[in-house]
Amino acid sequence: EIVLTQSPGTLSLSLGERATLSCRASQSVSSSSLAWYQQNPGQAPRLLIYGASRRATGIPDRFSGSGSGTDFTLTISRLEPEDFAVYYCQQCGNSLGCSFGQGTKLEIK
Amino acid sequence: EVQLVQSGAEVKMPGESLRISCTDSGHTFTDYWIAWVRQMPGKGLEWMGIIYPGDSDTRYSPSFEGQVTISADKSISTAYLQWSSLKASDSAMYYCARQYYNILTGHSYFDYWGQGTLVTVSS
Repeated sequence: EIVLTQSPGTLSLSLGERATLSCRASQSVSSSSLAWYQQNPGQAPRLLIYGASRRATGIPDRFSGSGSGTDFTLTISRLEPEDFAVYYCQQCGNSLGCSFGQGTKLEIK
Repeated sequence: EVQLVQSGAEVKMPGESLRISCTDSGHTFTDYWIAWVRQMPGKGLEWMGIIYPGDSDTRYSPSFEGQVTISADKSISTAYLQWSSLKASDSAMYYCARQYYNILTGHSYFDYWGQGTLVTVSS
């Protein structure tokens, strides 16, 4: 089973700053199956990025994803108030089994 | 459009059985995979397993194999997650989600989510 480790656990930034969130896999994963989600309190997760770098429908262009192999990054270029939430990365294998990272909480400084 | 609607919150005692549901009110239910995801209080997301309602192909995470049963009734566009004997540690929010998979591109992700079903198991 592939383990995804996200860092940092908590990221404290101010409005307008740039956020860089990391997701590291225990072994190489296909970029095609790497996705990122945002979750606000009391809500279901929302798909942000799929295929490591493709924005989902309706996602603002301040969100971007990059990476390959074992290291992937979610970048939020200029933080807006609604961006402060918990973010998860996810990968799925060939047999469609999936795993999530433990999450990064993005909080207002 | 896919619209996943889950059954309401449940409060159960240890040892009881439970089945929660996820109904797609807006799409052809048999054309995609439905996943179940657990979120324990204050914790992260855990993939439990998936089902393809078109042929009932079902796959489980090793962590949940034997602990729960995933099923579906395509005639009513509904997927189920079932426990035969609940434990206090089963208390969590459970989400269903469409697990999109494109065999050509390899893209695999969860694009539509239910609102979640909160399960509380307490004596």
